[in-house]
Amino acid sequence: AQSVSQHNHHVILSEAASLELGCNYSYGGTVNLFWYVQYPGQHLQLLLKYFSGDPLVKGIKGFEAEFIKSKFSFNLRKPSVQWSDTAEYFCAVNAYGTDKLIFGTGTRLQVFP
Amino acid sequence: DAMVIQNPRYQVTQFGKPVTLSCSQTLNHNVMYWYQQKSSQAPKLLFHYYDKDFNNEADTPDNFQSRRPNTSFCFLDIRSPGLGDTAMYLCATSRDRQGIGYTFGSGTRLTVV
Repeated sequence: AQSVSQHNHHVILSEAASLELGCNYSYGGTVNLFWYVQYPGQHLQLLLKYFSGDPLVKGIKGFEAEFIKSKFSFNLRKPSVQWSDTAEYFCAVNAYGTDKLIFGTGTRLQVFP
Repeated sequence: DAMVIQNPRYQVTQFGKPVTLSCSQTLNHNVMYWYQQKSSQAPKLLFHYYDKDFNNEADTPDNFQSRRPNTSFCFLDIRSPGLGDTAMYLCATSRDRQGIGYTFGSGTRLTVV
């Protein structure tokens, strides 16, 4: 069965610090990869997605992610975080040919001014 | 704007009293999903429809049912809600099986008392 692992459960940073959130998945076939953000009290919003092509994907709000197929990873990065980035971040995987989006357990990011 | 709309935004129901949550979409997407998200947890897929084809997750309790009378609407019925069913219920749609255009609604926060 497919699974998604996010090893950082809670990350605390100061503003302007760099961010990297890990995401690993277990599935040997072709995948589509997503990062979602959920601000407190709000619904899930798509940050970025990877379907094919350039493995370095740029998303909204200065986020980017790199797909490394050999490592089954899709880590999220941002060079300089802001207080407004405080939120829960979910990695998700869709195995090609299936209807499902499988989510990781999420990473809670707190950014202090 | 084309959207995924969930009603109501908040719902309080009594233990054991049937409740129905609704989802509508103007995207004309083929696939509609229902997820359950408990506090501080990842969204968990309950079931989904590919067109009229219903797909239930193996670990979805029998207490949870769904209906999709047409392309635009999908309902989540909880026949006898328990306290453990208190959660955010998310509806999502996608154009096809590859998760293209995956779009979430704002969710219905259900509280069982």
